[in-house]
Amino acid sequence: QLQLQESGSGLVKPSQTLSLTCAVSGGSISSGGYSWSWIRQPPGKGLEWIGYIYHSGSTYYNPSLKSRVTISVDRSKNQFSLKLSSVTAADTAVYYCAREGNSYGYDPWGQGTLVTVSS
Amino acid sequence: EIVMTQSPATLSVSPGERATLSCRASQSVSSNLAWYQQKPGQAPRLLIYGASTRATGIPARFSGSGSGTEFTLTISSLQSEDFAVYYCQQYNNWPRSFGQGTRLEIK
Repeated sequence: QLQLQESGSGLVKPSQTLSLTCAVSGGSISSGGYSWSWIRQPPGKGLEWIGYIYHSGSTYYNPSLKSRVTISVDRSKNQFSLKLSSVTAADTAVYYCAREGNSYGYDPWGQGTLVTVSS
Repeated sequence: EIVMTQSPATLSVSPGERATLSCRASQSVSSNLAWYQQKPGQAPRLLIYGASTRATGIPARFSGSGSGTEFTLTISSLQSEDFAVYYCQQYNNWPRSFGQGTRLEIK
């Protein structure tokens, strides 16, 4: 059974870079036909898609965040990562990683990790 | 970007009754529409994909319908564990986008 697990710093200072990693277990991140995404949810609010990386390494980012986002993959560790630069309080959210299959939405999801931007 | 609009924002229904949730897309997404359930402190769970196909392990009381720009999630007989927030999401276009959610609460 495929499982995803986020990890990283839970507290980031304004203007710094948020860094998170999603470890994939129970399957290979190099399997074709899937993309690996980051999605976030500010406290008490809805879901915002951040971006994805394909197993080949190709990426696509939400235009609203594109200038600040980098998603990368480490196939040797079976994980992918998110970097979000120049963070502000508006970037405080629970960050989820998830797999998107071919025409079936996001499943599974990681359990999510709360990142707070504060000095 | 495709804007997904859900209605109502909050729906109050008694256990055992039927709940009908709506989702509208600002342009056609064909049948590339998913529904998720989210409970407090948990990640969203995929319920429906392809607008009408139940995900693995999802009870038959959950059903989805629609195509193009208008979609519906129906829960035929509400159980206590169904009270949660529900999101629709389109995966027809990039960037992917979610509705703002419908909170299903006990009446």
